[in-house]
Parts: sequence; structure tokens; C-alpha cells
Amino acid sequence: DGGITQSPKYLFRKEGQNVTLSCEQNLNHDAMYWYRQDPGQGLRLIYYSQIVNDFQKGDIAEGYSVSREKKESFPLTVTSAQKNPTAFSLCARSIAGIQETQYFGPGTRLLVL
Amino acid sequence: AQSVSQHNHHVILSEAASLELGCNYSYGGTVNLFWYVQYPGQHLQLLLKYFSGDPLVKGIKGFEAEFIKSKFSFNLRKPSVQWSDTAEYFCAVNAKNAGNMLTFGGGTRLMVKP
Repeated sequence: DGGITQSPKYLFRKEGQNVTLSCEQNLNHDAMYWYRQDPGQGLRLIYYSQIVNDFQKGDIAEGYSVSREKKESFPLTVTSAQKNPTAFSLCARSIAGIQETQYFGPGTRLLVL
Repeated sequence: AQSVSQHNHHVILSEAASLELGCNYSYGGTVNLFWYVQYPGQHLQLLLKYFSGDPLVKGIKGFEAEFIKSKFSFNLRKPSVQWSDTAEYFCAVNAKNAGNMLTFGGGTRLMVKP
């Protein structure tokens, strides 16, 4: 499973509602990432974090926020500003920096009611 | 902006056919190259990677890829595919002169007919 736990597998939200996706890793790795996978576009980076209490925006950060209060956890909040009606979000980890091999979790599918 | 192109969006092959999936990237300098695979209903898995050294890289399940620097390419190959290779394949590149961000191609869906 890539050493990453994502929950839930499916998440429903109402328009205007913020929701938070969970991502946990148990390998004591420094770096964690969030990607969104859209058909025909591959994966695009939302946010990443290389150390606790620090994170950087990726290519499609608008409508999302993150926190990194603990090394093992990197939750992603999807705000009401995010217009993509359904999205498959993937969390990943790497030992240290962004240049290293990334390993992915199973993903969360977000659905709008 | 950096980009990664996978020219074949959908590929259909019969079992035992040979496979080659193209991957080209748009920037020079030092690069790390990856192929990931996503089997139906499963998470994205690393198939193989190239950081340096021998440009012909061997990965899991009989896959290999060749880095051709002059062509900015990292094509994935397998001499004889199996039905179980049905999956979506993603090429990804990170480059030191592009902030080391990992950029993915759009993916290629491979269907292998039994």
C-alpha cells in the first residue's frame, strides 16, 4: 500500500462545504505530497511538505489548504472554492526531499452532492 | 514550463505482443525519470526509475525503459505482454533546474486482450 493510509476511500460533500481528507504514513519519512488525478491529465501537485510545520504550493493549490503539525500526518482540506465536482486525490511520501522517489497511497474519491 | 508527453493515450494489444510506450519531456539538465503503473482498483505503484548510470533500466514484471538524453525520451518496453499488464501507465520526470517538482504525463491506458 506504499506505506500510506488515506481515508476515507469515498467522501461526499455538499456544495459550499469544506471537507478534510486524511493522509497518514508510518515510515518516519520527511516529505509528503498531495496530488489530484484527472483523466487524461495525469497527476498534478496540489501541495507538498518536506518538514513539519512547513509546506509549499504546487501547480493547482487554489481551493485547497494543508497542515503538517505532525511528521506522520498531512491532511488536505478541500474548500468551497474548489470547483472540481469530483476529484481523485492521492497522497504520497518520500524519504526526504522532493527529488526522491515518491510512493503513493490508495487515494480518496471526492464526490459532490 | 516543463512538460511530459505520453503520445499514446490508449493502447490495445493481444497477449504475447510487444509493448513500447513513449514518453518525452521538454527540459534539459539533470533529470530523474520514473514509470508508475496503476492496475484497476489499485494504488499507483513504482514500475522503474532512472537516476544515473546505465540508461537501460530494468523494473518489475519484465518491464524496462531506456533513457535517450539526446531525444529527451524515456520509453517503456516489454517484449511480451500478459493480460495482467492491463493498467494505466504514467511517466514522470523531475529536474533540478525546474525546482525538482515531479511532473507527470497524461497517462496511457493499456488493455491486453487474452
